[in-house]
Amino acid sequence: DVKVTQSSRYLVKRTGEKVFLECVQDMDHENMFWYRQDPGLGLRLIYFSYDVKMKEKGDIPEGYSVSREKKERFSLILESASTNQTSMYLCASSRGRIKYNEQFFGPGTRLTVL
Amino acid sequence: KQEVTQIPAALSVPEGENLVLNCSFTDSAIYNLQWFRQDPGKGLTSLLLIQSSQREQTSGRLNASLDKSSGRSTLYIAASQPGDSATYLCAVRPLNQAGTALIFGKGTTLSVSS
Repeated sequence: DVKVTQSSRYLVKRTGEKVFLECVQDMDHENMFWYRQDPGLGLRLIYFSYDVKMKEKGDIPEGYSVSREKKERFSLILESASTNQTSMYLCASSRGRIKYNEQFFGPGTRLTVL
Repeated sequence: KQEVTQIPAALSVPEGENLVLNCSFTDSAIYNLQWFRQDPGKGLTSLLLIQSSQREQTSGRLNASLDKSSGRSTLYIAASQPGDSATYLCAVRPLNQAGTALIFGKGTTLSVSS
């Protein structure tokens, strides 16, 4: 079974802090994604990566950056956290050709920025 | 721009009922459609993936259909159980939107009472 893990289930940070969210998948998937989920807005794509050191902006990249130094790991970085980044963050991965294959999701990280 | 709608937003049924969840999308130019389940505070679990060339997929008590030309998909759950209580999300992978992975609906929250 595909396993996507995220470093924290719950995280509380202060405004202005630098925040790292880590995601690891164990199925050698080429593609990895970061979404955020908010009530009334649903899931929205922040960034994705289709290969090591490659990244593409999603629909809402402002205020975020990403890093993919190894195939299995995809990090989401909040350079200076703000209260409007309080959200549920979900990581996903998929195999091979990005458009055809199933995405598998991690358990999510609930981030609160005070 | 592709939009995905799920109606109703919430549904309550007694145990044992067969039920249908609806998903509609505005642009028929898609690669595939995926149905997910999300338990409260958790990540997404992939249920079924239907490629654009397919009409339906089945897994156990679940059957998903796709009518691409009319922009509709349904998820049929047979003999519902309290353990089916969750939020069900559908998502499409558009053909023509660069830099975007899945476009999600806001979900239908299902409650099955015993």
